[in-house]
Amino acid sequence: LAKTTQPISMDSYEGQEVNITCSHNNIATNDYITWYQQFPSQGPRFIIQGYKTKVTNEVASLFIPADRKSSTLSLPRVSLSDTAVYYCLVGAPYNQGGKLIFGQGTELSVKP
Amino acid sequence: GAVVSQHPSWVICKSGTSVKIECRSLDFQATTMFWYRQFPKQSLMLMATSNEGSKATYEQGVEKDKFLINHASLTLSTLTVTSAHPEDSSFYICSVTWDTYTDTQYFGPGTRLTVL
Repeated sequence: LAKTTQPISMDSYEGQEVNITCSHNNIATNDYITWYQQFPSQGPRFIIQGYKTKVTNEVASLFIPADRKSSTLSLPRVSLSDTAVYYCLVGAPYNQGGKLIFGQGTELSVKP
Repeated sequence: GAVVSQHPSWVICKSGTSVKIECRSLDFQATTMFWYRQFPKQSLMLMATSNEGSKATYEQGVEKDKFLINHASLTLSTLTVTSAHPEDSSFYICSVTWDTYTDTQYFGPGTRLTVL
């Protein structure tokens, strides 16, 4: 199982773009990269998932370089409600024996 | 994505009693569900994989006789904490696998267990 490394915490201000980088040097060929958001006393919420290059949805973008040894979650124009813990996970699909192993996550604090 | 519910959202019990937590997939037939535990200020820890119609697969270090998992239907999995003790107090979260080809999971809202 690939191990991930993220900054423990980040601070930002409302309206700014936030980029959270995750290192996963031992990522395997079959592994996908998935990001989740968790608010206190709630279950994690799926944000975005990718395998390579760039993925964008209505809430975030995910940048994955060619070697796939890192990934960057980009949150455009954050607001106070984006204050949460963000988890980067790397793993194979479940039908190939994969399972989600959570790391420590990045605690993002958005200030007014 | 899948909508997952948990019941109860919180429970307080006395030491030595058993507590059952339900996890329901409301709009998706889930052959596989997962149970996690999260202590304050810590990350989620996978406890077990619940498979419909078969025995659950427990992670190393998780006592299967203490944390009983039953996945009797495609929409319901239950976790029973038997003979609960204060150290079992935690936030229990379930999830369902939405896409087995990418392992996208959708999580329930969690159940806060406090054992007195």
